[in-house]
Amino acid sequence: DSGVTQTPKHLITATGQRVTLRCSPRSGDLSVYWYQQSLDQGLQFLIQYYNGEERAKGNILERFSAQQFPDLHSELNLSSLELGDSALYFCASSVEGQGSYEQYFGPGTRLTVT
Amino acid sequence: GQNIDQPTEMTATEGAIVQINCTYQTSGFNGLFWYQQHAGEAPTFLSYNVLDGLEEKGRFSSFLSRSKGYSYLLLKELQMKDSASYLCAVRDPFEGGGNKLTFGTGTQLKVEL
Repeated sequence: DSGVTQTPKHLITATGQRVTLRCSPRSGDLSVYWYQQSLDQGLQFLIQYYNGEERAKGNILERFSAQQFPDLHSELNLSSLELGDSALYFCASSVEGQGSYEQYFGPGTRLTVT
Repeated sequence: GQNIDQPTEMTATEGAIVQINCTYQTSGFNGLFWYQQHAGEAPTFLSYNVLDGLEEKGRFSSFLSRSKGYSYLLLKELQMKDSASYLCAVRDPFEGGGNKLTFGTGTQLKVEL
């Protein structure tokens, strides 16, 4: 158990809908990352937040947005869903500093768009 | 651009030693990670190299050569439970102080009796 929690574990929804994925980082970690993993693309970095502020952005679609709240939990919002958005979405957290940069991954949310 | 290459698949025998190579070409470099991922599960952290040389951690060791853009993960005394995908990832600094991890597509290791 990495200490990172994600809800829900599974999500099935229809095209055109909007969903919110939630992540709680490990206690003490200020940095949260979101990744998408699909069969044909591997693990793709979406976005990083550090202590509530956006710090780095990857290939995140405009239909996707994220935020990190004052209690450090983060949410990833996916809208106008398409079949191709079906994937495993992972959240990871890290201390990001003091020589410790490893990221600890949550169990993931499996999103299926039908 | 970012490019990380790993072999797609490897097979090894229980009790043996296997070396999984990773070469990278990235615009920035702030360290290299190795993760293990079993199918349908979260990646778990194995090692982190930021300086050249070998880091040893139990049955797992990782090596880095920054000048060659090369790393390897060495697994000793292989066990059946080591059958998994091994992901090489480069930590890449981002404008504004952030970092992102760029992952290779992973090496699927199969350990056989």
